[in-house]
Amino acid sequence: QKEVEQNSGPLSVPEGAIASLNCTYSDRGSQSFFWYRQYSGKSPELIMFIYSNGDKEDGRFTAQLNKASQYVSLLIRDSQPSDSATYLCAVNPGTYKYIFGTGTRLKVLA
Amino acid sequence: GAGVSQSPRYKVTKRGQDVALRCDPISGHVSLYWYRQALGQGPEFLTYFNYEAQQDKSGLPNDRFSAERPEGSISTLTIQRTEQRDSAMYRCASSTGTGEEKLFFGSGTQLSVL
Repeated sequence: QKEVEQNSGPLSVPEGAIASLNCTYSDRGSQSFFWYRQYSGKSPELIMFIYSNGDKEDGRFTAQLNKASQYVSLLIRDSQPSDSATYLCAVNPGTYKYIFGTGTRLKVLA
Repeated sequence: GAGVSQSPRYKVTKRGQDVALRCDPISGHVSLYWYRQALGQGPEFLTYFNYEAQQDKSGLPNDRFSAERPEGSISTLTIQRTEQRDSAMYRCASSTGTGEEKLFFGSGTQLSVL
């Protein structure tokens, strides 16, 4: 079992819809969770982080964390073509090491 | 500096040659990471520095790979006797080391071993 699992996609959503990206992790002691966006040919860029169970909202983005289910998700409301990218889930198991998933490729169709 | 700077941006080398990849982190960032990213995959952890101390090198694939950060700022990742399987994007990231560990990535060095 991979430490951080994501569906590779592509996930296609129409413009204006909600995109839902999911991630599961194996280390129950994981402390903090991050979502990075990576445009094709570019470096990953942090867009959200969450440490506590529940929801965290920042503009059109909402991160959701359920530690009991070892599940973290990212919702993107009012999706725009400019949101088309690969979204990487990263988990910190309580040390300095950040474990990344393989990423989910999102396509927002105009 | 304004961001994490990596050089060279591209490196093409012949199998068997040694290469050195450089990373200049954001000024004041005490934590420095090296990751390797294959096409279509997420970044894979290689090694971590806290100031000049290499605290974890568990991700380095074998003893041909080494890294240093002698003055706690610029870091060099060295690959000796390169092999074709070493071809990948090598990314450096830095963070403040204060606990809210948001990683800031450099543009990476694309290594091609012929």
